[in-house]
Amino acid sequence: AQRVTQPEKLLSVFKGAPVELKCNYSYSGSPELFWYVQYSRQRLQLLLRHISRESIKGFTADLNKGETSFHLKKPFAQEEDSAMYYCALSGGGTSYGKLTFGQGTILTVHP
Amino acid sequence: DVKVTQSSRYLVKRTGEKVFLECVQDMDHENMFWYRQDPGLGLRLIYFSYDVKMKEKGDIPEGYSVSREKKERFSLILESASTNQTSMYLCASRDRGAGNTIYFGEGSWLTVV
Repeated sequence: AQRVTQPEKLLSVFKGAPVELKCNYSYSGSPELFWYVQYSRQRLQLLLRHISRESIKGFTADLNKGETSFHLKKPFAQEEDSAMYYCALSGGGTSYGKLTFGQGTILTVHP
Repeated sequence: DVKVTQSSRYLVKRTGEKVFLECVQDMDHENMFWYRQDPGLGLRLIYFSYDVKMKEKGDIPEGYSVSREKKERFSLILESASTNQTSMYLCASRDRGAGNTIYFGEGSWLTVV
């Protein structure tokens, strides 16, 4: 079974402060991990994926297989980063393509 | 640009009614999904489809069925709507050739009274 846990439902920071959204997963094989974001009144969209090792809008995420974590980080938060963030996992084998999401974290960046 | 279109943005239905939620994608994607989104529970997979006429149960299929007669269209059916099915429903399609990226529709708000 595959599972994704985001322990924080709400996260508030001030503009310019560092931000870290936590994500832990449970999966027996080699997963693909993603972060999706939903801005107010917009559709859910891909933010980044671990295999790309890219930085999008200043956000990065490193897959830590030892700790089974994929935390999302940004050194200096901006007001426009306020949104709902979902961590997601895609497994292999018979569950290939099945994308499992966490509960989501609402990030609010205050001016 | 990939487009995933959910025809109904807001619906209000009565308990016991049969409800159809339609989703169309225009990028010839093989895989399509239906999720429901609830506060505190995140996105939960209801059903997904690998290809035409193929379907797999997700994590919460009870009370739902799906239909995939054509590649571009994936329908979610509530045989007899109940109040606990009041939710936001999200359709998505997946581009297997682009790193497993999933594209979402805007969502359908369903209220069952």
